[in-house]
Amino acid sequence: EAGVAQSPRYKIIEKRQSVAFWCNPISGHATLYWYQQILGQGPKLLIQFQNNGVVDDSQLPKDRFSAERLKGVDSTLKIQPAKLEDSAVYLCASSPTGTYTGELFFGEGSRLTVL
Amino acid sequence: AQSVAQPEDQVNVAEGNPLTVKCTYSVSGNPYLFWYVQYPNRGLQFLLKYITGDNLVKGSYGFEAEFNKSQTSFHLKKPSALVSDSALYFCAVREIFSGNTGKLIFGQGTTLQVKP
Repeated sequence: EAGVAQSPRYKIIEKRQSVAFWCNPISGHATLYWYQQILGQGPKLLIQFQNNGVVDDSQLPKDRFSAERLKGVDSTLKIQPAKLEDSAVYLCASSPTGTYTGELFFGEGSRLTVL
Repeated sequence: AQSVAQPEDQVNVAEGNPLTVKCTYSVSGNPYLFWYVQYPNRGLQFLLKYITGDNLVKGSYGFEAEFNKSQTSFHLKKPSALVSDSALYFCAVREIFSGNTGKLIFGQGTTLQVKP
C-alpha cells in the first residue's frame, strides 16, 4: 500500500516570496491533515479536511496561509508571503473516515527554509 | 484545553538496558493516547495507542506503554534498548466526545539516545 506522498521535500525561499506544498494521501482516506513542525517542537495542526470540506482551521494563519483539497483527494498548502518564522517542516497526514480510535499516517514532510 | 507534556528533552540509556520515555496529559473527557517515533528527515511513524481496556498496551518494535489514569500518564517503555531505537519520540492525545474534530495534540518530543 502506498503511503502519504509529499512534495517538494526541501524548499528554500526568501522572505515575502510564496511557496506551495502538495500532498497525496493514502487511497481511500477521507481525512487529511496539515501539521507544522518547528525545530524543537511537536507538530501543530494547521488544518484538517474531511473529504473536501474544512473541519478545523483554527490555527491556520489565514492572512498568509491557505489550503485546499479539491475533489477530496490530494491537497495543496500555500504560504504567501512567507516570513522567517515559517521555517519548519510541513507534515501531511491522512486517516480513514470517522476513526477517532485510529492512528494518523504521515508523509515524510516538506522542509521549508525562509531566508 | 487538552495538552500533552513530555518532561524530558532527552533520555540517555545504554544498549540492553530498559528505557522509559515519560508523558503526561490533560483532557476533559476520556483520552485516546498515542506514541509516534520520528527518525531524522522522516515523517512520524505510529508505535502504539491506548483506547480502552488493558492499561498495558504493546506496539511496534518491542515497545509498550502503560496508561495510568490516576496519574494522567502514558509512559513509553522497552525492556531492552537497541542503538537503532535512537530517535525522537512524540506522545499525543485525542479527546473522545461528540463534536471533537479528532485532531491529535502532540507533546514537544523527547530525544532518545541509546549508546552501545
